[in-house]
Amino acid sequence: GNSVTQMEGPVTLSEEAFLTINCTYTATGYPSLFWYVQYPGEGLQLLLKATKADDKGSNKGFEATYRKETTSFHLEKGSVQVSDSAVYFCALSEGASGTYKYIFGTGTRLKVLA
Amino acid sequence: GAVVSQHPSWVICKSGTSVKIECRSLDFQATTMFWYRQFPKKSLMLMATSNEGSKATYEQGVEKDKFLINHASLTLSTLTVTSAHPEDSSFYICSARAGQGGETQYFGPGTRLLVL
Repeated sequence: GNSVTQMEGPVTLSEEAFLTINCTYTATGYPSLFWYVQYPGEGLQLLLKATKADDKGSNKGFEATYRKETTSFHLEKGSVQVSDSAVYFCALSEGASGTYKYIFGTGTRLKVLA
Repeated sequence: GAVVSQHPSWVICKSGTSVKIECRSLDFQATTMFWYRQFPKKSLMLMATSNEGSKATYEQGVEKDKFLINHASLTLSTLTVTSAHPEDSSFYICSARAGQGGETQYFGPGTRLLVL
């Protein structure tokens, strides 16, 4: 079945450091891919998405490119801020059944120190 | 746009009582809504998928008589935890997907349930 694998956290960085959170997937067909962010005690917020191979999603300085050849969708940011501290979830959308259920990764906790 | 609300944001109840959680899409019509459960420091576990006007589809291992889901309109879905027990304590999150083939899910802020 379809699955999403994220790098284990927590990830601790200093402010202005470069961020990479790895995400790889296995899927039949061509799923859409998403990154969501969850701040403490809150629901998930859509960060960015990509719907087909070679698409690049970007938002708030974060970027991720849909790489079909490596089945990856790694999240990057050039210079993190303390306010980026949160849990980041990678997800794919299963469209074949028509319900577009998500398969989530386990989440990666990011802590940015001032 | 694409705002989803949940009510209540937190609830404390006694064991054996039932609790209803509402999920509303505020500025779009949601043909499909999803209910998730999240344990501390864990990922989201999909409980069920509900389509407006039809019965919910539950994931394997989720008791449909325990977690009643109703999706009576295109903007409202409810989750009722019946005869709640302490092991039902959790963070419940809903999401909504607009119609017309859109895949993106928009999430509510979550409801924290504590059963004493």
